[in-house]
Amino acid sequence: SQQGEEDPQALSIQEGENATMNCSYKTSINNLQWYRQNSGRGLVHLILIRSNEREKHSGRLRVTLDTSKKSSSLLITASRAADTASYFCATDRRSGNTPLVFGKGTRLSVIA
Amino acid sequence: GAVVSQHPSRVICKSGTSVKIECRSLDFQATTMFWYRQFPKKSLMLMATSNEGSKATYEQGVEKDKFLINHASLTLSTLTVTSAHPEDSSFYICSARGQGVVNSPLHFGNGTRLTVT
Repeated sequence: SQQGEEDPQALSIQEGENATMNCSYKTSINNLQWYRQNSGRGLVHLILIRSNEREKHSGRLRVTLDTSKKSSSLLITASRAADTASYFCATDRRSGNTPLVFGKGTRLSVIA
Repeated sequence: GAVVSQHPSRVICKSGTSVKIECRSLDFQATTMFWYRQFPKKSLMLMATSNEGSKATYEQGVEKDKFLINHASLTLSTLTVTSAHPEDSSFYICSARGQGVVNSPLHFGNGTRLTVT
């Protein structure tokens, strides 16, 4: 079953602009993670935010988490053509070595 | 960082044959590995959780006799698609956490593109 719903499904921006992707989920979580996937490849972990955190930064990435609204956002600042990929949020619902439940993803295209 | 290697990256097989996909953790031990399936432009759907030395746990709707999982060592899990049919064509991805590391990011293999003709 899927937990997260990303919004928008697809996003096209110019290089240098900021890209914002949103994720909503349904159940309580231990943490929420964002991953990137280049076409036809595996996923690469970008950032993890725990349920007791509200905001986290990593380089050009900024993630927010609102557990009351069961939503998260990923902001990529000063986008580059190399940021073109699909971005997925994934939730970790319980403590332990449990699988992640992925959202549907946002396909980001950054035009040079 | 932790590396997961998946092989093959692409495979084309005829309907009715079986295909084995390997997933190895190269620099860490993985007691648990997760197998996902992804359709074009879609999300990842969890198929099963592979446990070293014990039976895999399959998600609802996934046929365990069709998708055989073996996790014989702490560094290798295999997924065998038996009697493959065109509808089994998909992108299969394995993932794992480091041994003893819970609620941390997953490390993914690069996936296997299976095409059944």
